[in-house]
Amino acid sequence: GQQLNQSPQSMFIQEGEDVSMNCTSSSIFNTWLWYKQDPGEGPVLLIALYKAGELTSNGRLTAQFGITRKDSFLNISASIPSDVGIYFCAGHPSTGGGNKLTFGTGTQLKVEL
Amino acid sequence: GAGVSQSPRYKVTKRGQDVALRCDPISGHVSLYWYRQALGQGPEFLTYFNYEAQQDKSGLPNDRFSAERPEGSISTLTIQRTEQRDSAMYRCASSLGGSRETQYFGPGTRLLVL
Repeated sequence: GQQLNQSPQSMFIQEGEDVSMNCTSSSIFNTWLWYKQDPGEGPVLLIALYKAGELTSNGRLTAQFGITRKDSFLNISASIPSDVGIYFCAGHPSTGGGNKLTFGTGTQLKVEL
Repeated sequence: GAGVSQSPRYKVTKRGQDVALRCDPISGHVSLYWYRQALGQGPEFLTYFNYEAQQDKSGLPNDRFSAERPEGSISTLTIQRTEQRDSAMYRCASSLGGSRETQYFGPGTRLLVL
């Protein structure tokens, strides 16, 4: 099945650094979502975006819905050790999607103290 | 319970056996989704229900896979005649209904087919 392209695949950063990751698609999406998955757990929603160009923040997290509706980015400012995990983008395609989510391949974040 | 629960958490089976995976959604949630997640990948959609009606089963890989939600609450994903390629994490999610409602994921069932 289709998976969104996420980059980078993994990141190893110092505590306190800012982090940026993005997600691209060859087709248009109606919504963009960012999830975080901790080991042994299911994905947990961080931010939801519903309009092209929308910029939304949740604490130290900021995400944007690309103008072309084919991409999104997630920024994490001043990273801390508990930010470690796998971050997935997800969205509802504009055609044939219904309620089902299409997920990205994930970005694994590791934070060095 | 407070969240989505799934059972069993781990299942080891021999090739050719049937398995049934159970999902108990958050109480009152209308929509229930099944996803499969391979190692190092994001979840991939399998099927979803609104109440007891299966709305979309386009993600089921083949006819060995089926799902039901007979009373609009608990759901069972059944895999018949399991094959080694069926080994994966199977995740269930539920939501209040509608594409903009947050999907809450369960901890998953890790299936290993020997």
